[in-house]
Amino acid sequence: QQPVQSPQAVILREGEDAVINCSSSKALYSVHWYRQKHGEAPVFLMILLKGGEQKGHEKISASFNEKKQQSSLYLTASQLSYSGTYFCGILTRDDKIIFGKGTRLHILP
Amino acid sequence: GAVVSQHPSWVICKSGTSVKIECRSLDFQATTMFWYRQFPKQSLMLMATSNEGSKATYEQGVEKDKFLINHASLTLSTLTVTSAHPEDSSFYICSAREPLLIGYTFGSGTRLTVV
Repeated sequence: QQPVQSPQAVILREGEDAVINCSSSKALYSVHWYRQKHGEAPVFLMILLKGGEQKGHEKISASFNEKKQQSSLYLTASQLSYSGTYFCGILTRDDKIIFGKGTRLHILP
Repeated sequence: GAVVSQHPSWVICKSGTSVKIECRSLDFQATTMFWYRQFPKQSLMLMATSNEGSKATYEQGVEKDKFLINHASLTLSTLTVTSAHPEDSSFYICSAREPLLIGYTFGSGTRLTVV
């Protein structure tokens, strides 16, 4: 039931773009995206509720393809502060979030 | 915004002792809270769902007698790691959802080291 994230890790230079993918073998009702800095708790980025929905916050956006059972997170013109581990989470019928294994993003100056 | 407070931030205990971790929702009531465990460089693994006024529900493979969960009020859930062993050393994080929001808020986490 755990969603599959790819890639496992990304190294970028500041200003470059990145895409993180999240897919599930089961039907998705909603997808949550979180970022976690080392030694800290995850921070909520956004949630996508409907198939085809796209959302954005500053230069981070996400899409949700219900048919393909996948979501993608887009980081545009990455900043040093974007470094961290990104987790997608899928919401189960009983309101539990099951997280993927994470994608480690490292931004170089 | 919704705030979840977790205490302590870190704890070191001797093998065989018990440790209690508290999770509080500061500005909202949470009938349900979730406890996760995270080993270094790994994902957050859901351990159990804490339900106010009733028994917690545990994920497969999580020992109920070892990880005691109590959700005595609408703003407080506690996780007690009983008879802790070095393999229980991990980062424990709680989360809750403010009813008017759709995202889940996480506590700051507790780093447990059993020596």
